[in-house]
Amino acid sequence: RKEVEQDPGPFNVPEGATVAFNCTYSNSASQSFFWYRQDCRKEPKLLMSVYSSGNEDGRFTAQLNRASQYISLLIRDSKLSDSATYLCVVRRFSGTYKYIFGTGTRLKVLA
Amino acid sequence: NAGVTQTPKFQVLKTGQSMTLQCAQDMNHEYMSWYRQDPGMGLRLIHYSVGAGITDQGEVPNGYNVSRSTTEDFPLRLLSAAPSQTSVYFCASRPGNDSPLHFGNGTRLTVT
Repeated sequence: RKEVEQDPGPFNVPEGATVAFNCTYSNSASQSFFWYRQDCRKEPKLLMSVYSSGNEDGRFTAQLNRASQYISLLIRDSKLSDSATYLCVVRRFSGTYKYIFGTGTRLKVLA
Repeated sequence: NAGVTQTPKFQVLKTGQSMTLQCAQDMNHEYMSWYRQDPGMGLRLIHYSVGAGITDQGEVPNGYNVSRSTTEDFPLRLLSAAPSQTSVYFCASRPGNDSPLHFGNGTRLTVT
């Protein structure tokens, strides 16, 4: 079992729809959580950090559930430009800080 | 502000050849790292450095060497390329422990 698991998708949604992705992690020592966005054949770019109380950045909302060990990303009013792969990243300390990457969830927003 | 710069963008090698992937950052970040990304797998850490003169192995270090003589540069050397090293390589840096990673734009390497 992978330490960070994501549904690979693709999630095909129409413009304007709301879509949510979940990511589960298995190591309870995980401390910090991030969502990255990766466009095809490009580098990952930080979308948002995920805080314990949940946080919002425009149309994007991230939630953390430590008890069930998952994080979520909600995208409201989807745009064509939101089409990308969304990577869940978990950070924990094990001698040094380790970043564990999920394999990503692919989103296609359709016109 | 260039951020993290990787060269080359693309490279084709024959089995057994050696080469160096370059990574430079102009943000004065102490921490730098190299990842590889393969289909169906998350990014995997190859080597990392917490400062000039200090390097350590990550999850998949075999076949790769690194050095960190300056804060800015963190080259990745393939000693004798193998087809299993065909991948996309990303260099990443961060300013402090509680910071997310900033990635370079990647190097696509094919080993035939």
